[in-house]
Amino acid sequence: EVQLVESGGGLVQPGRSLRLSCAASGFTFDDYAMHWVRQAPGKGLEWVSGINWNSGSIGYADSVKGRFTISRDNAKNSLYLQMNSLRAEDMALYYCAKGGCSSTNCNFDYWGQGTLVTVSS
Amino acid sequence: DIQMTQSPSSLSASVGDRVTITCRASQGISNYLAWFQQKPGKAPKSLIYAASSLQSGVPSKFSGSGSGTDFTLTISSLQPEDFATYYCQQYNSYPFTFGGGTKVEI
Repeated sequence: EVQLVESGGGLVQPGRSLRLSCAASGFTFDDYAMHWVRQAPGKGLEWVSGINWNSGSIGYADSVKGRFTISRDNAKNSLYLQMNSLRAEDMALYYCAKGGCSSTNCNFDYWGQGTLVTVSS
Repeated sequence: DIQMTQSPSSLSASVGDRVTITCRASQGISNYLAWFQQKPGKAPKSLIYAASSLQSGVPSKFSGSGSGTDFTLTISSLQPEDFATYYCQQYNSYPFTFGGGTKVEI
C-alpha cells in the first residue's frame, strides 16, 4: 500500500525558514517523480514544486522560485521542501504527491494527508 | 505559464443527474491533463489522467475527454458520495497548474 506521510509543518514567523519532509513507503521510491502541492485555507490547489526520479529535472511555481528548494534522498525514501523567507501567503496545507512515472510529465496518483504551515508573527 | 480555466465554478445537481465540467488551457497541452476530486478535510484523489484514462479503482461513471486546449469531466449518474470539489491540472510543462475548481453541490 502506497503511503506518503508529511511532517515538519508548524507555526513560523515571517522571514524565517522551515523544512518539510515526506516519508514514502509501499513503492520503489527512486522509480518515480515527486511533487509538493499546497492549499491555502478555503482556497484551491497550487502546485509548488516537482522533482524527477534522479533530481535531474526540478521545477518551481513562480510564487516560490528562489525561496523554496525541493530535494529527495532515494536511500531514505524521502522527499523534502526547504522553505526560506516565508511569507504570510505561504500559509497553507502542504501535500506530498507521487508522480505516476519517473519523469516530469506524469500525473499524480497518490497524495499524503498534508502538513500545515502557519506563517504569523 | 499555462493558465487552466474551469467552468462552472460551482453547480447544483441532484442524485442521478449527468454532470459535465469543462477545463480550458491557455495553450495546447496535448493530453497531459488530469482530474482530481476533493472532499472537505480530505486530500485530493486522482480520478482521470492523460485526459481520458481512468485511475485504478475509480468507478466508470467518471469519464474524461479532450485534447489540446479543451477538456471535459463527466459524471454519468451523480451519487451522494460524488458531491465534492473537482480540479483539473495540466502536467505538460513546468510550472504545473491547476484549475480554480468546481464545487458540485446538491
